[in-house]
Amino acid sequence: GAVVSQHPSWVICKSGTSVKIECRSLDFQATTMFWYRQFPKQSLMLMATSNEGSKATYEQGVEKDKFLINHASLTLSTLTVTSAHPEDSSFYICSAGGRAGANVLTFGAGSRLTVL
Amino acid sequence: QKEVEQDPGPLSVPEGAIVSLNCTYSNSAFQYFMWYRQYSRKGPELLMYTYSSGNKEDGRFTAQVDKSSKYISLFIRDSQPSDSATYLCALKPPAAGNKLTFGGGTRVLVKP
Repeated sequence: GAVVSQHPSWVICKSGTSVKIECRSLDFQATTMFWYRQFPKQSLMLMATSNEGSKATYEQGVEKDKFLINHASLTLSTLTVTSAHPEDSSFYICSAGGRAGANVLTFGAGSRLTVL
Repeated sequence: QKEVEQDPGPLSVPEGAIVSLNCTYSNSAFQYFMWYRQYSRKGPELLMYTYSSGNKEDGRFTAQVDKSSKYISLFIRDSQPSDSATYLCALKPPAAGNKLTFGGGTRVLVKP
C-alpha cells in the first residue's frame, strides 16, 4: 500500500531558528501533498496544498513567508518553519495523493515541533 | 456553521460494545466519504472509503452513507481497547482534487 514517510517525528528548537520537515511518498508518485497543523485534541487544519513543480497554495490566514513549502519532486515535499516562535509549537502532518482524481490521501506519522 | 459537524466526544464504551460515530454535512456536492482513525501523536490512517449511499462493511467496521439526509456513520462491532483513538470523517466533492474536508474528530475510549 501507499506509504508516506515524515521526518523528523519530533524536533525541539530554540526561538528564532528555522526547522525543516520532510514528507516523502515511498512507493508512489505524489502529484499533490498537503500540510496540516493540529493542536491538542483538535482536528486537522489544512495549511497549504503543495503541487509538484509549482508554488504552494496557502489557506487563508497562513503566512507564506513563515511556512515555506517546496515540492521539487514527485516524492518529496518540505515544510520549513522560519524564525520559529513558541506559538508555532504544534503537530504538523503531511498527506499525499497520487494521480489527479484519486480520492484517498495517505498521511505521514506527523512531526511534533516544540519551540523553546 | 461548519461544513462538517462531528461530536467531539469523548465516547466511552465497555469492551465488546458497538461504537457508533457520525458526521453531518451541509454541502450536497460532497460525493466521497472517508473515515480515518488517529492514535495519539500519530498521523491519521484510512479505515473506510465509500462514494455511494448505503452500507459498506470491512471486518468489524461498517460505514453508512445517507446522502439524502447528509449524514454518514461508522459502526465498530465488538470494540476492543485497541480501538481507543480519535475518529475523523473526511469528505470530498468530485472536483476538489485530493483536498478533503474533515470533521472535528470524535475521541473514543474502549474500557476493558
